[in-house]
Amino acid sequence: GAVVSQHPSRVICKSGTSVKIECRSLDFQATTMFWYRQFPKQSLMLMATSNEGSKATYEQGVEKDKFLINHASLTLSTLTVTSAHPEDSSFYICSAREGVNSGVNVLTFGAGSRLTVL
Amino acid sequence: AQSVAQPEDQVNVAEGNPLTVKCTYSVSGNPYLFWYVQYPNRGLQFLLKYITGDNLVKGSYGFEAEFNKSQTSFHLKKPSALVSDSALYFCAVRDGYNFNKFYFGSGTKLNVKP
Repeated sequence: GAVVSQHPSRVICKSGTSVKIECRSLDFQATTMFWYRQFPKQSLMLMATSNEGSKATYEQGVEKDKFLINHASLTLSTLTVTSAHPEDSSFYICSAREGVNSGVNVLTFGAGSRLTVL
Repeated sequence: AQSVAQPEDQVNVAEGNPLTVKCTYSVSGNPYLFWYVQYPNRGLQFLLKYITGDNLVKGSYGFEAEFNKSQTSFHLKKPSALVSDSALYFCAVRDGYNFNKFYFGSGTKLNVKP
């Protein structure tokens, strides 16, 4: 089945630094990937839709300049948290939609990345 | 507007007993419904989906879900729970117009006790 790899699984950084999280579709091409943020004991919040070769579409309230998304190829999207602050600490999860042309519409998720900003 | 409600934050069940995790939805157009499971510090894993056809959908790990259009519900069920089923379960619905957008419920923590 479809596999989405996300790296790193855990990252700790100092306040003010930038952190990059990678999301790769291993055995399928994903023209669209999605970035979610999950707070403890809460549901997933869609942050942005990453489109291959074009700009990401951000959800209302998500800062484009803080959460930079790049989707340079059909198998890789990256999320960069710029000038990270403690309030950016969270669990970030990416997903990709398999079977775009067939309309299957199943989302495959990465394992998530736990970001801790000190 | 599309939305999903999971009325129970937590469900407790003894191993071997049947389990039900509830989900109700609101969607414009035909509902595309999904169940996902999340283990600690992991991403979500797909369990099953309803697109069209039979109201009873069978999925992974012995789970099934019943689509009820009149009650706008999509409850997750399993005839005999296992301790290893203990996890966080999310119901989701796809947006009726934006096929890239999925709405997730708040999640239900399932505790299966031996």
